[in-house]
Amino acid sequence: AQSVSQHNHHVILSEAASLELGCNYSYGGTVNLFWYVQYPGQHLQLLLKYFSGDPLVKGIKGFEAEFIKSKFSFNLRKPSVQWSDTAEYFCAVKFRDNNDMRFGAGTRLTVKP
Amino acid sequence: EAGVTQSPTHLIKTRGQQATLRCSPISGHTSVYWYQQALGLGLQFLLWYDEGEERNRGNFPPRFSGRQFPNYSSELNVNALELEDSALYLCASSFKATYEQYFGPGTRLTVT
Repeated sequence: AQSVSQHNHHVILSEAASLELGCNYSYGGTVNLFWYVQYPGQHLQLLLKYFSGDPLVKGIKGFEAEFIKSKFSFNLRKPSVQWSDTAEYFCAVKFRDNNDMRFGAGTRLTVKP
Repeated sequence: EAGVTQSPTHLIKTRGQQATLRCSPISGHTSVYWYQQALGLGLQFLLWYDEGEERNRGNFPPRFSGRQFPNYSSELNVNALELEDSALYLCASSFKATYEQYFGPGTRLTVT
């Protein structure tokens, strides 16, 4: 079955620390990849997306993600987090063979000021 | 540009009743998706509508159903409500099936 896994349920960092959130998906052919963010009390927002081309994609608010096809991974990174990055982060994969969209369970990020 | 809208914001029902949730996609978007976000379970895919047709459904019982109207808005119906149906129901829309999805604020359904 097509699935998406996020390695960490809860990550706690201090401001200015670097962030990397892991995301892996089950093999399913061609994929479109996404990271969404849900700030407290707000709805899900698209952070960045990968469809094709350069496997290193840049999103909003200084986030970036790298698609490594051989590892079926799409990890999210940010060099220096801020308190305002406190939120829940969801990795999502659209499996193009059947257009199924699957979300990971989410990673809650807490940034201490 | 208006985003995805959902109504109502909150819905309280008793066990066995039926709930109807509504969603209006972003103008120009033809695909509408429904998800259930229960506490600690992430987003579980429910239904996908495109051009008025149900294209796919997730691993949910048939009492979860819906439809898409000619103006691409959508309705999610949950029959014979159970306590475990209490969750945030999210609607998303996309321009085409392979494009990114944009989410609404959700409807919080509470079953007592």
